[in-house]
Amino acid sequence: GQQLNQSPQSMFIQEGEDVSMNCTSSSIFNTWLWYKQDPGEGPVLLIALYKAGELTSNGRLTAQFGITRKDSFLNISASIPSDVGIYFCAGRDGTSYGKLTFGQGTILTVHP
Amino acid sequence: ETGVTQSPTHLIKTRGQQVTLRCSSQSGHNTVSWYQQALGQGPQFIFQYYREEENGRGNFPPRFSGLQFPNYSSELNVNALELDDSALYLCASSKASGRAGEQYFGPGTRLTVT
Repeated sequence: GQQLNQSPQSMFIQEGEDVSMNCTSSSIFNTWLWYKQDPGEGPVLLIALYKAGELTSNGRLTAQFGITRKDSFLNISASIPSDVGIYFCAGRDGTSYGKLTFGQGTILTVHP
Repeated sequence: ETGVTQSPTHLIKTRGQQVTLRCSSQSGHNTVSWYQQALGQGPQFIFQYYREEENGRGNFPPRFSGLQFPNYSSELNVNALELDDSALYLCASSKASGRAGEQYFGPGTRLTVT
């Protein structure tokens, strides 16, 4: 099935460092969402974006909806050990209600 | 506020068998979507149920079917199980009248087909 191109695939960082990851698509999306998934759990919604150019923050997390509507970015500032997990981007187009298309995930490891 | 719950947590089935997975939506949500997540991959959309009817379907064969009940809970049924059906099955609920796309996921059911 179709998936978004998410990069990087994995990141190994030191506690306190900032993190950036992004997601690109060949198709336009009306909504971009970012989820975090811990082992053995379902994805947890972090941030939802609804307008091209929108910049939204949730604590140390900041995400942007790309102007072309084909990409999105997630930044995590001052990482802490509990940031460890898999981060997924997801896009929703306007043609099918509710269907989310996911990226393949970015595995984040934070060394204390 | 009660979150999305799924049962069972884990399940082992044999190829060719049938399986039913269950999902209770978050309080106040009336739409349920099902996703399949293979190991190391992002979730793949199976279908969505709204007002007890299938509201959209991904690229999955007809042996994947579902139901939604008047209390908005849902079932996913898979017939003639294949080895490739081994995956984490996720249920997500949302408010049909709310900001479209804000889906909240349950913990998933881990299905192993041998």
